[in-house]
Amino acid sequence: DSGVTQTPKHLITATGQRVTLRCSPRSGDLSVYWYQQSLDQGLQFLIQYYNGEERAKGNILERFSAQQFPDLHSELNLSSLELGDSALYFCASSVLGGPAVDNEQFFGPGTRLTVL
Amino acid sequence: ILNVEQSPQSLHVQEGDSTNFTCSFPSSNFYALHWYRWETAKSPEALFVMTLNGDEKKKGRISATLNTKEGYSYLYIKGSQPEDSATYLCAYLYNNNDMRFGAGTRLTVKP
Repeated sequence: DSGVTQTPKHLITATGQRVTLRCSPRSGDLSVYWYQQSLDQGLQFLIQYYNGEERAKGNILERFSAQQFPDLHSELNLSSLELGDSALYFCASSVLGGPAVDNEQFFGPGTRLTVL
Repeated sequence: ILNVEQSPQSLHVQEGDSTNFTCSFPSSNFYALHWYRWETAKSPEALFVMTLNGDEKKKGRISATLNTKEGYSYLYIKGSQPEDSATYLCAYLYNNNDMRFGAGTRLTVKP
């Protein structure tokens, strides 16, 4: 157990809908990262928040957005869902905002999204 | 195009064998390299974060080296055990702004 929690575990929805995935980082961690893992594209970095501010941005679609709240939990919002958005979405957390040598990321269990 | 290549794609070794695999990445705009261990049906687990050319990190029987000038990192496992069976992912962080993952090396250790 990494100490990172994600809800829900599974989500099934229809095309065109909007969903919100939630992540609570480990106690004391200020950074939250979102990743998408799909069968055809492997693990992809989406976005990072550090202490409430967007810190780094990867391959995140415009239909997706994220935020980090004052209590440091984060939400990933996916809208106008398409079949291709079906994937496992991981959240990870770390203490620091940058890639310091000891700034490991701890992954949550993931949310499996199925778009029908 | 920022390609992170890992080789081999898969590897089968006997218990007790030592093994190694490679992560290749662009040598420009390097910021950090992460290694992860990912067991089936679990979440990725961080092994190492490496930032300096010539870095060598060790955690138990697993160690890694980094060459940022030529753009590669090696992961070594000494005396492989069945519980080492997993996919080993590397991720290249460039410009401190984006992270690209390799496709992983799937290691199977036979008892």
